[in-house]
Amino acid sequence: AQTVTQSQPEMSVQEAETVTLSCTYDTSESDYYLFWYKQPPSRQMILVIRQEAYKQQNATENRFSVNFQKAAKSFSLKISDSQLGDAAMYFCAYILTGGGNKLTFGTGTQLKVEL
Amino acid sequence: KAGVTQTPRYLIKTRGQQVTLSCSPISGHRSVSWYQQTPGQGLQFLFEYFSETQRNKGNFPGRFSGRQFSNSRSEMNVSTLELGDSALYLCASSLLTSNTEAFFGQGTRLTVV
Repeated sequence: AQTVTQSQPEMSVQEAETVTLSCTYDTSESDYYLFWYKQPPSRQMILVIRQEAYKQQNATENRFSVNFQKAAKSFSLKISDSQLGDAAMYFCAYILTGGGNKLTFGTGTQLKVEL
Repeated sequence: KAGVTQTPRYLIKTRGQQVTLSCSPISGHRSVSWYQQTPGQGLQFLFEYFSETQRNKGNFPGRFSGRQFSNSRSEMNVSTLELGDSALYLCASSLLTSNTEAFFGQGTRLTVV
């Protein structure tokens, strides 16, 4: 079975500090895309960052960056200079290349940002 | 550019009834996917429609069905509602293939009583 595991149900971070959310996945395919989505209380899923599995270079998007370890099937998200607006549920997900738009999601990590 | 629009936002239905949810994708997007989100099961893929054809289907009973119209708008239908169908139903639209970003709507909160 193809699965995504987020082992941290909840995380807390102080404003302006750095936090890392972990994610591991399991697929026998070699071509896929990995994503981190954010779901604030408004419930709308927002794409935070995307990583193509064929790229060795880790993706970066402003204060968000990933540590992609393909052999270990690990895809962690680092949030630098955390802001109050970063508080949300974060989901790790992947799509198989050529498999249509079928996202497989993890169970999510609730991030709290404290003053 | 307008985002993904889901209607209605909230819905309360009785067991045994049926319900239809609507999703209007971003203009130009041809792929629409549906997901069910519950506290117990998390986010689960229901199905994907592309150019009016179902391209992928998740592991849900036949009570869950969908369709897509020529303007890419999609509907999903749940017949003979059960209490366990209470969930947030999310729709996502994508331009084309699996390497493009999925844009989500705000969801429809369905409560079955």
